Amino acid sequence: GAVVSQHPSWVICKSGTSVKIECRSLDFQATTMFWYRQFPKQSLMLMATSNEGSKATYEQGVEKDKFLINHASLTLSTLTVTSAHPEDSSFYICSAPGAQGTQYFGPGTRLTVL
Amino acid sequence: GQQLNQSPQSMFIQEGEDVSMNCTSSSIFNTWLWYKQDPGEGPVLLIALYKAGELTSNGRLTAQFGITRKDSFLNISASIPSDVGIYFCAGFYNTNAGKSTFGDGTTLTVKP
Repeated sequence: GAVVSQHPSWVICKSGTSVKIECRSLDFQATTMFWYRQFPKQSLMLMATSNEGSKATYEQGVEKDKFLINHASLTLSTLTVTSAHPEDSSFYICSAPGAQGTQYFGPGTRLTVL
Repeated sequence: GQQLNQSPQSMFIQEGEDVSMNCTSSSIFNTWLWYKQDPGEGPVLLIALYKAGELTSNGRLTAQFGITRKDSFLNISASIPSDVGIYFCAGFYNTNAGKSTFGDGTTLTVKP
């Protein structure tokens, strides 16, 4: 089946630094990928839709200058959390769409900002 | 926007018991999906439903797409400890830019 990977699995950084998270589709091409964040014991919150070769589409309330998304190839999307602060600490998950609304999720990246 | 009401929020059951959870919506969907998320992992697709009234099984899991297209349920029979996790329903409508709407999840705890 379709596999989506994320790197890194977890990252700890100091407040004010930027962190890049990679999402790769390993055995298929993805013109679209989705980025979610998830707080403990909460549901998935869609942050943005990453579009290969064009600008990402951000959900209402998500700062595009804070969460930079780049989808430079058909197998790679990156999310950069700029000037991270402790409130940005969360579990970030990407996914790639499959057929008829299904999604293949990555394993997630745990970000902790000190 | 579209919202899904998923219930129950959490369940504590004994190993061997059956489990039932459901999702309802004020909007119709073309597809209902059920995912399971293990701690510290991304969700994994369990069952996808594409037609109103469809009943689909995957091992001990059974899910149904409601006739009104506004609800779905997931049953787990004879639960085992590895069923522990968070179960999410998701609804998909094909004019929503490929995005699914997710329920808030049902956290399942199974006592051996």
